[in-house]
Amino acid sequence: GNSVTQMEGPVTLSEEAFLTINCTYTATGYPSLFWYVQYPGEGLQLLLKATKADDKGSNKGFEATYRKETTSFHLEKGSVQVSDSAVYFCALSGRTGANNLFFGTGTRLTVIP
Amino acid sequence: NAGVTQTPKFQVLKTGQSMTLQCAQDMNHNSMYWYRQDPGMGLRLIYYSASEGTTDKGEVPNGYNVSRLNKREFSLRLESAAPSQTSVYFCASSEAVRNSNQPQHFGDGTRLSIL
Repeated sequence: GNSVTQMEGPVTLSEEAFLTINCTYTATGYPSLFWYVQYPGEGLQLLLKATKADDKGSNKGFEATYRKETTSFHLEKGSVQVSDSAVYFCALSGRTGANNLFFGTGTRLTVIP
Repeated sequence: NAGVTQTPKFQVLKTGQSMTLQCAQDMNHNSMYWYRQDPGMGLRLIYYSASEGTTDKGEVPNGYNVSRLNKREFSLRLESAAPSQTSVYFCASSEAVRNSNQPQHFGDGTRLSIL
């Protein structure tokens, strides 16, 4: 079946620190992989995606590389800002049904000045 | 741009009461989804609608019903609310049916408490 295992939080970093949030997955076939971000009181927003092995998704300084050999899609940012404080969700699309997404449990990031 | 609009934003119910959560999207998307978000469990799919006129069960459909009223609107109904249904509910939509490359667009959620 399809599942996503995500790094437990919460994560607290100082501004300008390096961020890694680990994500590994189990899937049949070749899923697409996503990172979504949820700011307080809001819905989820797509942060980045990768649709095939070795693809790198990037947006707003965040990056993640689709690693088929390690079934991973770790999120990284070189220098976090206070405005990056949010909950981050890793997700995969199982290519069944109507583009259904399978989510990890989310990682809360707090960046302190 | 409105995107995906959910109403209400907050609701408190008593056990056994019924209510309908409304969702509308203005992006001309074919597919729509209802998720619930619980602490430590991420988002779980309740029901989805691949296209107008069709609905299917997701991971946690028990205690819920849905209606795809037209292409824009997809409602979620709790017929007899239970405390276990206390959660934050998110509606989402996506452009293409059966195309896993397309991202989903989410509403801001409905926070539902059942006493």
